[in-house]
Order: sequence, then C-alpha cells, then structure tokens
Amino acid sequence: KAGVTQTPRYLIKTRGQQVTLSCSPISGHRSVSWYQQTPGQGLQFLFEYFSETQRNKGNFPGRFSGRQFSNSRSEMNVSTLELGDSALYLCASSPTGQGTYEQYFGPGTRLTVT
Amino acid sequence: AQTVTQSQPEMSVQEAETVTLSCTYDTSESDYYLFWYKQPPSRQMILVIRQEAYKQQNATENRFSVNFQKAAKSFSLKISDSQLGDAAMYFCAHKVGNTGNQFYFGTGTSLTVIP
Repeated sequence: KAGVTQTPRYLIKTRGQQVTLSCSPISGHRSVSWYQQTPGQGLQFLFEYFSETQRNKGNFPGRFSGRQFSNSRSEMNVSTLELGDSALYLCASSPTGQGTYEQYFGPGTRLTVT
Repeated sequence: AQTVTQSQPEMSVQEAETVTLSCTYDTSESDYYLFWYKQPPSRQMILVIRQEAYKQQNATENRFSVNFQKAAKSFSLKISDSQLGDAAMYFCAHKVGNTGNQFYFGTGTSLTVIP
C-alpha cells in the first residue's frame, strides 16, 4: 500500500496570506490527524477527522481549520498567517482510531512564513 | 490532562552498545496506549514500538524493547546493539484508548550513534 502523502512538501507564504495543505491517507484509513511540529514546542495536535467529522481538536486558534472528504483525503487551512505559524505540518492516518492502532505519518509540509 | 515528558534532549551511544531513552507520562485514564516513534533526518516519522497499558508484559521488537512501569508511569525504550541507522529523534507518545487519535508527544530525544 502507498503511504501517507502530503502536498506540497515545501511552501513559502507571506504574513496575512492563507494556505491550504493536503493529506492523502493510506488506502482504507478513515482517521486523519494533523500536527504542528516546531523546534520549541515539539509536536502539537491540531485536530483529527474521522468519516468527514472533526472528532478531536487541539488548542489552536480558529485560524486553523480542516476538513475531510468522502474519500478520507483531508485538507488543513491556515488563514491570516503569522510568523509563528512557520513549522513542519505532519499528517497521520489510522484505520479507525479505537484500540491500539498506531498512526502512520506522512513526510510533512514545511511551511515558512515571511 | 495528558502529558508526556522526555527529560533527555540528547543522548549518544557507541555503535553496538545499548542505550535507554526515558519517558514519563501522566494520565488519569485506565485505558491507554504508549508508543515510541523515530524521526530520522529525512523527517518521516516511523513507529518503533507500542505498548498497551493493560498488558503487563513489556513489548519487544527485534533490538528495541520497552520497560513499562505502570505504577510509576514510566515507559523507557532500550535499543540494543545500536546501529548507525538508529540515529534519529525519538518521540514518546501517549494515546487514550477511547477518544480517537489525539496523540500526546514528548519533546523528543536526539540520539547520536558514534561509529
């Protein structure tokens, strides 16, 4: 099976702009989670989608939003970008989310805000 | 609140030697799972090993094993016969069993393997 894919891999944006990141989970996986990784804060959970519904949400401002489509692909949107949003954004998929299922991570999208 | 603490920002080990990475966690839940993930310089996170809290037996995967001390809320990773390819950032993670896929990660330990 193909792994989790994320596009684009690298992105440079200017403060105030908005950005959309995309994640395609492993085939058959219905849960997609998003994480922000920065050197200072480590990996922080943004949100999780399961069957097109947001199931869990981390402590991020409303500028961060997401959605999931019927084919389980997910997008994450950040509006009104700030310099502090520069980070590696990781997407992870899992079959269902219950039990011991681990998450399988994508390679990430490196977002730089200037 | 769920928290995960990795107190060793950096560790080093000689090739072929054994190293132990520490992790402590805090949770009030009884149904939870613990994981160690590895993130090599290429940035792709890879699962190393996982442990179900209800299992008393420590998980083992080839050269990787854990020491799960439930009462102490400790979950350390032992890497035996260290190889150059083991050099990476290692993250300890925790997930509550019945709340979906919200993983809580530690801040990571950077492991250097010395030839």
